[in-house]
Amino acid sequence: GAVVSQHPSWVICKSGTSVKIECRSLDFQATTMFWYRQFPKQSLMLMATSNEGSKATYEQGVEKDKFLINHASLTLSTLTVTSAHPEDSSFYICSAPPVQGNQPQHFGDGTRLSIL
Amino acid sequence: AQSVAQPEDQVNVAEGNPLTVKCTYSVSGNPYLFWYVQYPNRGLQFLLKYITGDNLVKGSYGFEAEFNKSQTSFHLKKPSALVSDSALYFCAVREGGGYNKLIFGAGTRLAVHP
Repeated sequence: GAVVSQHPSWVICKSGTSVKIECRSLDFQATTMFWYRQFPKQSLMLMATSNEGSKATYEQGVEKDKFLINHASLTLSTLTVTSAHPEDSSFYICSAPPVQGNQPQHFGDGTRLSIL
Repeated sequence: AQSVAQPEDQVNVAEGNPLTVKCTYSVSGNPYLFWYVQYPNRGLQFLLKYITGDNLVKGSYGFEAEFNKSQTSFHLKKPSALVSDSALYFCAVREGGGYNKLIFGAGTRLAVHP
C-alpha cells in the first residue's frame, strides 16, 4: 500500500540551527502534503499544506519565515525549521492525502525535534 | 467549522473487558470519520473509517466503531481489550474528499491493565 517516509526520525541540535525534515511518498505521487505539529500528550495541529509547484498554505498563527515548507517534486515535501529555539522542540508529522478520496490519509512516522 | 471532541483524556480498562473510546463531531457537510492509533514517538496508524453505508464499521486489530448521525458520534469499541491496545487514540473528521483538511480530536489515552 501507499507509504509515506519521513526522515529523520529524531534530531537533537543546538539553538540557532536550522533543521530540515523530509517527507517522501514512496509508491505514489503526492501533489499535496500536510504538516502537523504535536506537543507532548496533545493532539495534532495542522501547520501548513504544501503544494507541488506553488506556495504552501499556512494555518493561522504559524510563522511562515520560521517554518519553511517546500514541495520540490511530486514525491518530496520538506519542512525547514529555521534558527530553531527550544520552544520549537516538538514532534512533527507529515501526511499525504489519499489517492482515492474516500480513503484515509497516509502518515509518516514523525520527527522528534529537540533543541538544546 | 469542523470540530471533533473526545471527552475523555484517559480510559482505563482491564484486559479482557470491552472498551469504548468516545468521539463526537461537528461538520456542516457529509462527514468522513476516522480513528487512528499512535504509539510513543510514532506516526499515526489508521484503524477504521466511516464514509457511507453501514453504521457499524469494522477495522484493524478487532476494533469497530458505530456511526450515529443523530448523536453526531463515532465511538470506538472493542469487545475484549488487550494490554497491547494501550496507546493514544485519535478521532478525526474530514468534510468530504481526500484533499480537505483532517481535523483531529484531542486524543484519548487508553490504558489496559493486566
